[in-house]
Amino acid sequence: ETVMTQSPATLSVSPGERATLSCRASQSVSTNLAWYQQKPGQAPRLLIYHASTRDTGIPARFSGSGSGTEFTLTISSLQSEDFAVYYCQQYNNWPPVTFGQGTRLEMK
Amino acid sequence: EVQLVESGGGLVQPGGSLRLSCAASGLTLSDFWMSWVRQAPGKRLEWVANIKEDGNEKYHVDSVKGRFTISRDNAKNSLYLQMNSLRVEDTAVYYCVRGHLGFNYWGQGTLVTVSS
Repeated sequence: ETVMTQSPATLSVSPGERATLSCRASQSVSTNLAWYQQKPGQAPRLLIYHASTRDTGIPARFSGSGSGTEFTLTISSLQSEDFAVYYCQQYNNWPPVTFGQGTRLEMK
Repeated sequence: EVQLVESGGGLVQPGGSLRLSCAASGLTLSDFWMSWVRQAPGKRLEWVANIKEDGNEKYHVDSVKGRFTISRDNAKNSLYLQMNSLRVEDTAVYYCVRGHLGFNYWGQGTLVTVSS
């Protein structure tokens, strides 16, 4: 099973600033990686797939990069609605697809 | 508009059974792999099972093999998860999800609580 590890666990950033979230895979997942945003009491929302492709309707301030075992989600200028928990997920080595433990993005 | 609506969750004793259902609208279920993903309170998301478009191929996470079974009825545009021999650690919100790799449509989830 491919283990996904996210860092940091919590990130405190002020609105308007840039946020950088990291995700590491225990083995190569090529670019078969997705990012999700989850707000309290809601289902996750797909932001990014294939490591860098934004899903339909996702604002351009969200960008993804990386390949192999190291990945990054960048939010270029944080809006109030962006404070949430973010998960990465690999779908290269399945079953099972596996998720990271999440990064909580909180307002500074 | 795509909608996935789960039902069937609730409180059950350890060793008990539940059957979750997911009713799909705004999409033709037979065109897609479908999955169940769960999330225990305060925990990460965990893929549980998936099933191919025609139902002839299915996979389950090791922790539920032999206890849970995913199935589908394309004529009813519905997905199911039969859960037997439930354990306390199965307590979670269970989401019905479109796809088997990246998941771009999620239901609102149904809570399963396993407790005596």
